[in-house]
Amino acid sequence: RKEVEQDPGPFNVPEGATVAFNCTYSNSASQSFFWYRQDCRKEPKLLMSVYSSGNEDGRFTAQLNRASQYISLLIRDSKLSDSATYLCVVNPYNQGGKLIFGQGTELSVKP
Amino acid sequence: GAGVSQTPSNKVTEKGKYVELRCDPISGHTALYWYRQSLGQGPEFLIYFQGTGAADDSGLPNDRFFAVRPEGSVSTLKIQRTERGDSAVYLCASSSRGADSYNEQFFGPGTRLTVL
Repeated sequence: RKEVEQDPGPFNVPEGATVAFNCTYSNSASQSFFWYRQDCRKEPKLLMSVYSSGNEDGRFTAQLNRASQYISLLIRDSKLSDSATYLCVVNPYNQGGKLIFGQGTELSVKP
Repeated sequence: GAGVSQTPSNKVTEKGKYVELRCDPISGHTALYWYRQSLGQGPEFLIYFQGTGAADDSGLPNDRFFAVRPEGSVSTLKIQRTERGDSAVYLCASSSRGADSYNEQFFGPGTRLTVL
């Protein structure tokens, strides 16, 4: 079983749609959680950190459920420019800054 | 300021050859990471440096892979006797601090390695 699991998609949605991505992680000692965005043939870039209390950044909302070891990302009012691969990322406890990435979920927003 | 740079951007080599991939981190960043990304997968951790020393090399797949960071800045990932399965994008990232805490990692554009 992979340490971080995501539905690979692709998710094909029209502009303006709301889309949700889910992710589960297996290491209960994980301490930090993130969503990264990766455009085609580009490097990953941090989209947002994820906190137990939930956090929002404009159209993006991230949630963490430590008991269920589950992370989510909600994108409201999708834009064409949101098309990318979204990577669920976990930083294990006491392993420095080492990041464990999920497979990534591909999103394609259509006009 | 300048971000993380990696050279070469593309490398094509033949099976059995030796390759070196270079990473130049953001100035002042003490932590440096190497990841490998195969097609359709997320990046996979290889090795992490704090300063000049390798703090965690648990992700290196076998002894054909080796990395150095002799002066605590530029790092080189070295692959001996390359195999077709080594073909991937090799990503380097740096952060301002790595030990015992997380600081945002900034990724370079990667080196696309193709082993024929």
